[in-house]
Amino acid sequence: NAGVTQTPKFRILKIGQSMTLQCTQDMNHNYMYWYRQDPGMGLKLIYYSVGAGITDKGEVPNGYNVSRSTTEDFPLRLELAAPSQTSVYFCASSYSTSVVYEQYFGPGTRLTVT
Amino acid sequence: AQKITQTQPGMFVQEKEAVTLDCTYDTSDPSYGLFWYKQPSSGEMIFLIYQGSYDQQNATEGRYSLNFQKARKSANLVISASQLGDSAMYFCAMREGEDSSYKLIFGSGTRLLVRP
Repeated sequence: NAGVTQTPKFRILKIGQSMTLQCTQDMNHNYMYWYRQDPGMGLKLIYYSVGAGITDKGEVPNGYNVSRSTTEDFPLRLELAAPSQTSVYFCASSYSTSVVYEQYFGPGTRLTVT
Repeated sequence: AQKITQTQPGMFVQEKEAVTLDCTYDTSDPSYGLFWYKQPSSGEMIFLIYQGSYDQQNATEGRYSLNFQKARKSANLVISASQLGDSAMYFCAMREGEDSSYKLIFGSGTRLLVRP
């Protein structure tokens, strides 16, 4: 199993551009999450999904959108990129049949908006 | 209000010694889970250990143990016999049981540096 994969690994955007961060998991997990990590800080939840077709906002959703059309994929869309969105983005997944519900993280996408 | 507080931005430990990383939490939910993740300089998040609020014993995983003091709302991570590879950021996180999304709330982290 590849686990949770994210593409791209790095990206530089100009202010006002848009992009989609891709996230795929092959563990048949029903829960998926997007976090951002600003320098020297912990992770903050942007959006999450409890299953295909169901998404909800986390702590810092402004400027982002998500969709979940399949169990495997959970893309994060940035519209009109701003310097404040410079961050490392992590996708994670977990499954409801786990006792612990630990989250498995992807390797992250480092995004710079200039 | 901060739900997860890690008061040590950075710590040093000598190789082969034990070190304790502090974490306090705040919740009114009787059912919750506490996690520790390691983030090495390469950036990935690695799950280390979990403690459930109803667990009677402190969790242990190899050299990692969790000192769970429920009344004090603390869940400190103890790393025994530190190794150079333990140098990393460490994050404490909480999942509240009433939240069916099972999302995690993270602390700000502690950077641990192991000295040879």
